[in-house]
Amino acid sequence: EILMTQSPATLSVSPGERATLSCRASQSVSSNLAWYQQKGGQAPRLLMYGASTRATGLPARFSGSGSGTEFTLTISSLQSEDFAVYYCQQYHNWPLTFGGGTKVEIK
Amino acid sequence: EVQLAESGGGLVQPGGSLRLSCAASGFTFSNYAMSWVRQSPGTGLEWVSSISGSGAGTNYADSVKGRFTISRDHSENSLYLQMNRLRVEDTAVYYCTKELAMTGTYFEYWGQGTLVTVSS
Repeated sequence: EILMTQSPATLSVSPGERATLSCRASQSVSSNLAWYQQKGGQAPRLLMYGASTRATGLPARFSGSGSGTEFTLTISSLQSEDFAVYYCQQYHNWPLTFGGGTKVEIK
Repeated sequence: EVQLAESGGGLVQPGGSLRLSCAASGFTFSNYAMSWVRQSPGTGLEWVSSISGSGAGTNYADSVKGRFTISRDHSENSLYLQMNRLRVEDTAVYYCTKELAMTGTYFEYWGQGTLVTVSS
């Protein structure tokens, strides 16, 4: 099983600032990585797939990078609606696995 | 517009059974793989099971293998999860998700979830 580790667990950022979230895989997943956003009481929402391809309608302030075992999700200028929990997920191998999440909170 | 609506959750005793349903609309159901993903209270996400578009291929997390069965009905545009021999640790919100054409990818759309509580 591929273990996905996200850091930090909590990120405190002021509105308008940049947020950088990390996701590490225990073995290479190539570019088979997705990112999701989950707000309180809601279902997760797909943000990114293929490590760097934005889902339909996602604002350009979101960007993804990386391949192999190291991945980054960057939000260039945080808006109020971006404060949420973010999860990465690998789909390189079964079982499909998620990271533990990074909570982005208001500083 | 893609819509996924789960139902069937509730309170069940350990060792009991429950069947979850997911009504899908807004896309050609038989063309896409579908999955169940769960989230225990206050914790992260866990993939549970996936089924191919045709229904011929299925995969399960080790934690549910042998106890849960995923299936789909193309005439009803519905996805199901039969859960037997339920354990306390199966308590979670269960989400129905739509994948791409092939199975074992990412979860493009999510339902709102249905809560399963396993407790005596």
